[in-house]
Amino acid sequence: QQKVQQSPESLIVPEGGMASLNCTSSDRNVDYFWWYRQHSGKSPKMLMSIFSNGEKEEGRFTVHLNKASLHTSLHIRDSQPSDSALYLCAASTPSGSWQLIFGSGTQLTVMP
Amino acid sequence: EAAVTQSPRNKVTVTGGNVTLSCRQTNSHNYMYWYRQDTGHGLRLIHYSYGAGNLQIGDVPDGYKATRTTQEDFFLLLELASPSQTSLYFCASSDVGSQNTLYFGAGTRLSVL
Repeated sequence: QQKVQQSPESLIVPEGGMASLNCTSSDRNVDYFWWYRQHSGKSPKMLMSIFSNGEKEEGRFTVHLNKASLHTSLHIRDSQPSDSALYLCAASTPSGSWQLIFGSGTQLTVMP
Repeated sequence: EAAVTQSPRNKVTVTGGNVTLSCRQTNSHNYMYWYRQDTGHGLRLIHYSYGAGNLQIGDVPDGYKATRTTQEDFFLLLELASPSQTSLYFCASSDVGSQNTLYFGAGTRLSVL
C-alpha cells in the first residue's frame, strides 16, 4: 500500500474554475509535504511546499495542511488550460528528510 | 535554476542486456537521486547518494546498481535488464540550501525488449 495517496486520479475543470486536489499520508511520522507539477513530456517541477498547519497562498495556488489528519490539499483558482498537468504530492519524515515519497498523482485537465 | 543533465534521452536494449544511465548536476548539490516513473505508481525512488562514493538504497532497488563517482556525476546500472525495467527514469538533485526541493533532469526513456 502506498504511503502517500492522492485523489482524485483525474479531474476535469472548466477554464476559470476551481480545481481541488487531495493528498493523505498513512505514515504518522510525516512532517513535510510538497506539491510538484509535471506537464506532459516534461520533468516534475516543485510548485509549493508546506510543513505548518494552516494554509499558504502563492498567486492562484493555495495549499492547506492538517497535520493531525496528515492531509494536504492544493487549490487552483481561475484555472487555465496551461494548468493542465500531472500533480504529484510528496512527503518526508524527520528521519528520512532526504527521501521523498511520492503519490501516484492527479491528472488535471482544464477545458477551454 | 538548477541544472541536471541526463543521457541518453532514449535507450532500447534487449532482455539480459547491460545499460548505464548517466546524470550530471552542476549546482554543487550534495544529494542526487534516481527515480523511475510508471503510470499508476508516481515516482519511485531507486537509489540516492549524499556525496561522492556514498550510496543509499531507495524503495525499489532490486535489479539496479548505482555509483556516485564525483559530486557532479551519478550513474544507474542495469546489468541484466528485464522487461519490467521498461520505464521513464529521472535523476534529481537537492541540497539544504534549496530546502530539499528536488531539481529533475529531462528523463531517460528505457525500453527493454
